[in-house]
Amino acid sequence: AQSVAQPEDQVNVAEGNPLTVKCTYSVSGNPYLFWYVQYPNRGLQFLLKYITGDNLVKGSYGFEAEFNKSQTSFHLKKPSALVSDSALYFCAVRADFGNEKLTFGTGTRLTIIP
Amino acid sequence: DTGVSQDPRHKITKRGQNVTFRCDPISEHNRLYWYRQTLGQGPEFLTYFQNEAQLEKSRLLSDRFSAERPKGSFSTLEIQRTEQGDSAMYLCASSSSSYNEQFFGPGTRLTVL
Repeated sequence: AQSVAQPEDQVNVAEGNPLTVKCTYSVSGNPYLFWYVQYPNRGLQFLLKYITGDNLVKGSYGFEAEFNKSQTSFHLKKPSALVSDSALYFCAVRADFGNEKLTFGTGTRLTIIP
Repeated sequence: DTGVSQDPRHKITKRGQNVTFRCDPISEHNRLYWYRQTLGQGPEFLTYFQNEAQLEKSRLLSDRFSAERPKGSFSTLEIQRTEQGDSAMYLCASSSSSYNEQFFGPGTRLTVL
C-alpha cells in the first residue's frame, strides 16, 4: 500500500518570505514523487517531480522540493513567496514498479499574505 | 489548446439516472487515468488504460461504474443508477510514459440530486 501525509491543512506566509509545504510518504520500493497545484475552478497543474538522481529538484514558478529518503519526505519550498502562489497544493506518490496509480495527500491550502 | 479536455464540465442528474463523461487526452499519450475528487480530499484513483487496455481498476469502481477507451484515444466513464454519494469531481489525466508526470484535465463536476 502507498500513502501520503500532508500534516498541515493550511499554511500562511507573508509575501516575500520563504515557504515550505510538508509532505511525507509511504511506498513499497522506490518512490516517484510529485507536486501538483490546484487553483479555484481549474484542474491540477504539475509543478515538479522526483524520479531519480539529485535529491533537490526544481520546478515551475520558482518552486523546488527536496527528496529525503531517510525521513521519507518530499517538502515543497520556495525562497520568496508571491501572492499569486496562494492555492491548494497536493503531494502524490507512486511506486517505481507495478501499478501506475498516483496516491495523493489531502492537500495544503497555501495563503500568501500581502 | 493541446491539453486534456473533458466533457461536460458540469452535470446535474437525478438519483437513479445514468451519466457518461468523456475525456480526450493529449494526443499521442498512450496512458489515460480516471480519478475522483471530493471536497476537502485529494484525487482518488479509479482506473487506468494503456492504449485501449484497461490495466487496473480501484475497489472504488463499483459494478455501476464502467470505463472504456475503444480505440486507444478518447475515453468514456459511465455511471449507472447514480447515487448521491457519486457526487464529486471526476478527473481525467494522461501521460506519455511510465516515468512521466500525468497531465490533468479540468474535470467534470457531477451533482446527483
